Amino acid sequence: KNQVEQSPQSLIILEGKNCTLQCNYTVSPFSNLRWYKQDTGRGPVSLTIMTFSENTKSNGRYTATLDADTKQSSLHITASQLSDSASYICVVGGNTGKLIFGQGTTLQVKP
Amino acid sequence: DAMVIQNPRYQVTQFGKPVTLSCSQTLNHNVMYWYQQKSSQAPKLLFHYYDKDFNNEADTPDNFQSRRPNTSFCFLDIRSPGLGDAAMYLCATSRVRGGRDTQYFGPGTRLTVL
Repeated sequence: KNQVEQSPQSLIILEGKNCTLQCNYTVSPFSNLRWYKQDTGRGPVSLTIMTFSENTKSNGRYTATLDADTKQSSLHITASQLSDSASYICVVGGNTGKLIFGQGTTLQVKP
Repeated sequence: DAMVIQNPRYQVTQFGKPVTLSCSQTLNHNVMYWYQQKSSQAPKLLFHYYDKDFNNEADTPDNFQSRRPNTSFCFLDIRSPGLGDAAMYLCATSRVRGGRDTQYFGPGTRLTVL
């Protein structure tokens, strides 16, 4: 069964600290993996997108990694800011174009 | 500049009263999607259009319909909303299906059913 699992479910960190969010998937065939940021009451915004041949992709303070062999990805946030408080969703695309969404990790950055 | 626009942002309707949600895009993308997202859950794909070709997900209730009169606009019609249909409805677009193409999401319409 195609699934995307994220951990932790929620996370609280202090402003300025780093954090890493995890994503494991069982989607096959695999086409790409995306990380989205979703602010409360808003639509998701794309942070990164990687294919199986890409190991890492950065977008400012966000760095995503992908290990296609172990089917794991991580999203590292450096020097967190209050505006980073949001849900972070891992989304895996199969070759058919259908996206499988994870449940998301809710991050709260406190001053 | 807004690329995927959804109207209204908040919609309140009564149980059983038909409602239409609107999505427009300025990206000239071929594919438009409608998702339903309930609180603390992942978005769930309802259907998508590839150009004029309509693709319904197998588990999308018949209560949900969609129209795409042209490339820029797509509508979600809920014929008889039930309390369980209260959710955030997200519209998204992509240039093509599959591959590396990013889906661009609108801000969503939050539907309340009284």
